[in-house]
Amino acid sequence: SQTIHQWPATLVQPVGSPLSLECTVEGTSNPNLYWYRQAAGRGLQLLFYSVGIGQISSEVPQNLSASRPQDRQFILSSKKLLLSDSGFYLCAVDREGLKETQYFGPGTRLLVL
Amino acid sequence: GNSVTQMEGPVTLSEEAFLTINCTYTATGYPSLFWYVQYPGEGLQLLLKATKADDKGSNKGFEATYRKETTSFHLEKGSVQVSDSAVYFCATEAGGSYIPTFGRGTSLIVHP
Repeated sequence: SQTIHQWPATLVQPVGSPLSLECTVEGTSNPNLYWYRQAAGRGLQLLFYSVGIGQISSEVPQNLSASRPQDRQFILSSKKLLLSDSGFYLCAVDREGLKETQYFGPGTRLLVL
Repeated sequence: GNSVTQMEGPVTLSEEAFLTINCTYTATGYPSLFWYVQYPGEGLQLLLKATKADDKGSNKGFEATYRKETTSFHLEKGSVQVSDSAVYFCATEAGGSYIPTFGRGTSLIVHP
């Protein structure tokens, strides 16, 4: 079974600073990878998904970007953080095929001050 | 596209009470349906799933039945415990795209 690592676990950043969150996956190959954000008191918001190396689809316009430099590595970035970027960021993976369950990482809690 | 509607929380119960969290969906075709649970400070975990109409998913005393006629997948548990306190998300599979659809989540608080 796959294992999903996310780091850092917690991050406090000032407004306007850059961001880099990393997600790595073990135990599976050619996964579909996802970045979600969960703001306080709200549900999951899908930010990006990737079906392969270098292939990124964005679901919402924002000041965030994502990259997938390797098959099992997914990075979420920003050049300048906004207060509204605060939240709980979750990386998820599912395997090939559209009916597979999603598996979630432990999450990164980001607070922008 | 698909959509999922969950009852709003928080749902507050006493230990050993009966739990129902309603979930209805709209989707084309016959999507698989899921319930995920998120314990405080953690990521989501799959709780149960059902892949076709009339299937019943079950795990840890929780159950949900895929009702195509009412497009529902309500979560139930006969006797909740304090340790069940968490946020519960109903979801459909991606269907024709790679994008699964999650409900907004329902917070469950169980008091001793």
